[in-house]
Amino acid sequence: GDSVTQMEGPVTLSEEAFLTINCTYTATGYPSLFWYVQYPGEGLQLLLKATKADDKGSNKGFEATYRKETTSFHLEKGSVQVSDSAVYFCALSVAAGNNRKLIWGLGTSLAVNP
Amino acid sequence: EAGVTQSPTHLIKTRGQQVTLRCSPISGHTSVYWYQQALGLGLQFLLWYDEGEERNRGNFPPRFSGRQFPNYSSELNVNALELEDSALYLCASNWDGTTEAFFGQGTRLTVV
Repeated sequence: GDSVTQMEGPVTLSEEAFLTINCTYTATGYPSLFWYVQYPGEGLQLLLKATKADDKGSNKGFEATYRKETTSFHLEKGSVQVSDSAVYFCALSVAAGNNRKLIWGLGTSLAVNP
Repeated sequence: EAGVTQSPTHLIKTRGQQVTLRCSPISGHTSVYWYQQALGLGLQFLLWYDEGEERNRGNFPPRFSGRQFPNYSSELNVNALELEDSALYLCASNWDGTTEAFFGQGTRLTVV
């Protein structure tokens, strides 16, 4: 069935370090892919998205490219800040006839130290 | 434009009681999702409503139920509360079940 697999956390980095959070998926059809972020004590916010193969989503210095050949949507940032400390969720949405659903990864906690 | 709103923000209940959580989606959104996020865990899908009907249900017991009203707002009801029901309950909405979902701030439920 459809699924999303994220790298397990927690991930701890120093400020200005390079970040990669891996996300791979299995899905029937042609899913859209998303990264959401949850800051401490808050709900989830959409960080970026990509709706078709080779699309690159970007926001707040974060990027992710929809790779159909490797079924991946890895999140990257060149230089993290303390304010990026949060939990990051990878998700996909897929529609097949009347079957429409959002599938979530388990989340990856990121802690950035000054 | 108002985002997804949830009420109440916090509540404390006693084991065995019943609770109702409420969610108002973004104007124009017809799909509402409910998720449970227990401490230290990921998002656990509870329920999905679209156009007033339950479309999908997660792996939760029947004491978790809900409904969606004609104005697309939604309620989540939990009967016979157990200690392990303590969690952040998140509501999300979107247009059609496939586009990005927009989340509310959640309701923090504590069962004692």
